[in-house]
Amino acid sequence: DADVTQTPRNRITKTGKRIMLECSQTKGHDRMYWYRQDPGLGLRLIYYSFDVKDINKGEISDGYSVSRQAQAKFSLSLESAIPNQTALYFCATRAGTSEYEQYFGPGTRLTVT
Amino acid sequence: AQKVTQAQTEISVVEKEDVTLDCVYETRDTTYYLFWYKQPPSGELVFLIRRNSFDEQNEISGRYSWNFQKSTSSFNFTITASQVVDSAVYFCALSEEASNTGKLIFGQGTTLQVKP
Repeated sequence: DADVTQTPRNRITKTGKRIMLECSQTKGHDRMYWYRQDPGLGLRLIYYSFDVKDINKGEISDGYSVSRQAQAKFSLSLESAIPNQTALYFCATRAGTSEYEQYFGPGTRLTVT
Repeated sequence: AQKVTQAQTEISVVEKEDVTLDCVYETRDTTYYLFWYKQPPSGELVFLIRRNSFDEQNEISGRYSWNFQKSTSSFNFTITASQVVDSAVYFCALSEEASNTGKLIFGQGTTLQVKP
């Protein structure tokens, strides 16, 4: 089984709808991240969390919110989706200061029409 | 400010050619990590290598090799004898440890097409 899972894997939604992307991990890592990938721009950080009580904005947090329901779960919400939020979204985890790699989920392809 | 630049947007080669993907980074930190990831057409991100700022040894893994030069702030990736399966988007990324966030700063990515 994959260590980092994301649901849904693909989603088409309409402008103005609320949508939640979910991420779960079995690696026992404290740190979790949400990135967004757009063509020609690479991946950019939306939010990150060090534990359930520590949530931080990344460089492109406007229009998004997150919830860290448990150490293993980190959800990303679009309160009112707009077309320019169409992108590939990745969740990632990292152990902390002792490890430096981030482990990525398979991605969620979101289309807002 | 930290930044990663992959100036090559797209590269097209014929199978068996060697190809080098360039990565230039900017950071004020003395401790940092550099990464390369591969994104095949299926979309997932595949980790290839991590290199810390204190280790300038080049690394070779099969057909892949990496050249890290702090003097030019570059971390280039070479594929020797390219194959069609190497066709993918390749990302270079930087992680600064001083900020303790662990966040990755990605370059724009280089799309490599290997033609048979």
